[in-house]
Amino acid sequence: DTGVSQNPRHKITKRGQNVTFRCDPISEHNRLYWYRQTLGQGPEFLTYFQNEAQLEKSRLLSDRFSAERPKGSFSTLEIQRTEQGDSAMYLCASSLGTGAYEQYFGPGTRLTVT
Amino acid sequence: AQSVSQHNHHVILSEAASLELGCNYSYGGTVNLFWYVQYPGQHLQLLLKYFSGDPLVKGIKGFEAEFIKSKFSFNLRKPSVQWSDTAEYFCAVNAISGYQKVTFGTGTKLQVIP
Repeated sequence: DTGVSQNPRHKITKRGQNVTFRCDPISEHNRLYWYRQTLGQGPEFLTYFQNEAQLEKSRLLSDRFSAERPKGSFSTLEIQRTEQGDSAMYLCASSLGTGAYEQYFGPGTRLTVT
Repeated sequence: AQSVSQHNHHVILSEAASLELGCNYSYGGTVNLFWYVQYPGQHLQLLLKYFSGDPLVKGIKGFEAEFIKSKFSFNLRKPSVQWSDTAEYFCAVNAISGYQKVTFGTGTKLQVIP
């Protein structure tokens, strides 16, 4: 059983650069979520997809952030013109079903913006 | 908007001591409630969940939580902790009437001393 995977696990970038993260959910899961977690905080919801449709976006998701799930399988999260405040752990989770079923989390991508 | 409060940020217990971690949520409607755990170096994983029915729910590794609707609380308990319970614990809430956004608390770090 392969769980949720995320790549890369760590990313160090300079301010102003663009970065892209990838999430591969559990294969039969139709829902995919992105969260951001900073030190001392719980995960904060960014956005979620049901299949390929992006159904909700948090106000935390500024215009510099964009997420896609083109074929309803893997998803990418891109941050343009990174800022130091973007430094965080970016978590992906997936779930199956139409209710608030258990979300399975990936290991996260730790972004450091220098 | 839904929100979650975890009042204990850091708890230190000796092995065999009893544990109770507080969680209060703010939302006027029907909710699903979760406790997630993150062991050192590992992914977030579900400990237990409440959707409906018996307000006392049992999870993995001897944990349980009680949903008290009148107090908007979902406290986590374990009668006797072990060193292996050292982890960070997150309470989370999902408003059934909304989308699939799950709101997490800030987490409680539990340290169990042998």
